Amino acid sequence: TQLLEQSPQFLSIQEGENLTVYCNSSSVFSSLQWYRQEPGEGPVLLVTVVTGGEVKKLKRLTFQFGDARKDSSLHITAAQPGDTGLYLCAGAGVGSNFGNEKLTFGTGTRLTIIP
Amino acid sequence: EAQVTQNPRYLITVTGKKLTVTCSQNMNHEYMSWYRQDPGLGLRQIYYSMNVEVTDKGDVPEGYKVSRKEKRNFPLILESPSPNQTSLYFCASSLWAGQGGNSPLHFGNGTRLTVT
Repeated sequence: TQLLEQSPQFLSIQEGENLTVYCNSSSVFSSLQWYRQEPGEGPVLLVTVVTGGEVKKLKRLTFQFGDARKDSSLHITAAQPGDTGLYLCAGAGVGSNFGNEKLTFGTGTRLTIIP
Repeated sequence: EAQVTQNPRYLITVTGKKLTVTCSQNMNHEYMSWYRQDPGLGLRQIYYSMNVEVTDKGDVPEGYKVSRKEKRNFPLILESPSPNQTSLYFCASSLWAGQGGNSPLHFGNGTRLTVT
């Protein structure tokens, strides 16, 4: 079983600050997805990164896939209260035949932005 | 509105009393899956289905059953619930299983189950 560890597990910062959360594994993934989950709701996909070294931006959120496709990071600039939530990474196993049936989720980072 | 609908949202039951959590999607998705979410453990896959009448075990299938008689529905059955099945459960679907993350998952809003 492939494992994905996220750090930090909890993060509480003031509005306007920058932050980075990490998603690490010893396994190689064909792609890496990031989800955000708000209380009482299911996870919602934010982005998928596929190529090693790939960087994608979603407004103030920047996602990067590691060169070796074993890790990823999410950087938030000028955090806002609306960014509060549980952030989950999910890795798709290596192998051309693998898809969502082999998706491994990380342990999550619970982010709180204080107004 | 495209969505995955789970029922009930909350359920408290006693050990051994059979229960079913329903899941329905209106997006004509082929792939459906059940997860449980526990603190510090993330989302763990219970069962998944690639299409009608095609189901397979995920990482934590013990104590659960599923069926996929119709494309839109994928119920989760606990024949004899135990306290260690107390958890937050999510159903998810995607157009197909996809490869390399090219078929995003759509999640329901969860079912919080407590087994006493």
